[in-house]
Amino acid sequence: AQSVAQPEDQVNVAEGNPLTVKCTYSVSGNPYLFWYVQYPNRGLQFLLKYITGDNLVKGSYGFEAEFNKSQTSFHLKKPSALVSDSALYFCAVRGVNSGYSTLTFGKGTMLLVSP
Amino acid sequence: KAGVTQTPRYLIKTRGQQVTLSCSPISGHRSVSWYQQTPGQGLQFLFEYFSETQRNKGNFPGRFSGRQFSNSRSEMNVSTLELGDSALYLCASSLGPGQGAKAFFGQGTRLTVV
Repeated sequence: AQSVAQPEDQVNVAEGNPLTVKCTYSVSGNPYLFWYVQYPNRGLQFLLKYITGDNLVKGSYGFEAEFNKSQTSFHLKKPSALVSDSALYFCAVRGVNSGYSTLTFGKGTMLLVSP
Repeated sequence: KAGVTQTPRYLIKTRGQQVTLSCSPISGHRSVSWYQQTPGQGLQFLFEYFSETQRNKGNFPGRFSGRQFSNSRSEMNVSTLELGDSALYLCASSLGPGQGAKAFFGQGTRLTVV
């Protein structure tokens, strides 16, 4: 069975500082990895995905993620945080042998960016 | 291009009642998945439909069911509601069932069971 772990319930960072939201995964075969963001009372918005190729994936709103196969990690990063980045972030994985479109999500990490 | 539309946005039901939630995917998308989001359990997969067929089902009791119509619109039904069914129900659509397919989410239906 595939799984995703987001070890931090909350990450606090000051505006202008770099941010990292951690994610590790477990899956059979090659992983398909995703990051989504959720604002209050809203659905999830796609940020970026990794399928194959370059380990550094660039996504929406200046976010990027680094895929590390040996550490089975897919950490989300941004060089300079904005107050408007404050939201709930979800990492998700879809394994090659998992069937169809099923995404397995982590528990989510609340990112709080202070002015 | 219209996004994923879920109706209604909010719903209050009494224990024992049943409820039907609707999801209209993005035009051209044929795959629809449903998720339940609660503070304690996070996002949990309910089921996934593609071309009117249920392709995958999560670990939920039989009270939870769904279907997909020929126009790819999907409904999910919960019968004999329990207090623990209170949650945000999210629908996601994608072009197809491919592993790399990007899922687009609706804003969800907030169900409160009293």
